Amino acid sequence: NAGVTQTPKFQVLKTGQSMTLQCAQDMNHEYMSWYRQDPGMGLRLIHYSVGAGITDQGEVPNGYNVSRSTTEDFPLRLLSAAPSQTSVYFCASSSTSSGGVTGELFFGEGSRLTVL
Amino acid sequence: AQKVTQAQTEISVVEKEDVTLDCVYETRDTTYYLFWYKQPPSGELVFLIRRNSFDEQNEISGRYSWNFQKSTSSFNFTITASQVVDSAVYFCALSEAWDDKIIFGKGTRLHILP
Repeated sequence: NAGVTQTPKFQVLKTGQSMTLQCAQDMNHEYMSWYRQDPGMGLRLIHYSVGAGITDQGEVPNGYNVSRSTTEDFPLRLLSAAPSQTSVYFCASSSTSSGGVTGELFFGEGSRLTVL
Repeated sequence: AQKVTQAQTEISVVEKEDVTLDCVYETRDTTYYLFWYKQPPSGELVFLIRRNSFDEQNEISGRYSWNFQKSTSSFNFTITASQVVDSAVYFCALSEAWDDKIIFGKGTRLHILP
């Protein structure tokens, strides 16, 4: 059972570079999301998706783009990296119901990004 | 907008002591879901419990228990007879029905001292 797979696990970028964090899940979950974790800030929601072709902004969306072309994949793009985007990024997926996201979140192992 | 407050940034207790982690939430919805997650030093995030707003019964799972009180908008987590393996960061989270965001608190770092 792969669950939620994130790549890469570590990445160092220079300011202004672009990159994509990949996230894939094999649980047929409609809901996927990206969080960033910074010391003392907890987990903050960047973007989320309730199904293929549907994405929406979370708490801290600026500087990040997402797309959802398939149920399985939800990549996170940094168009022009900034030092403030140095963080640990977590992808998560969940089942949904008519009452919203009611299931537990299944998290990937995280991707540690450093922007110099 | 929903909000989760974990006022305790860091707690240290000696092994075998009981410890309670506080979680206070804000929501205008009458239907919502509350969660607790654990993040051990290895970094993965582990689901512990989900509670919906219509179920105010306390939950017990081994040494873990949860106290949900709508009157005070709190969903507190107690570890009884703590063990060193309980050392972790614990997050409380809130999801409102008909809104697809799951919002986390800032977490409480728990140190269990041998």
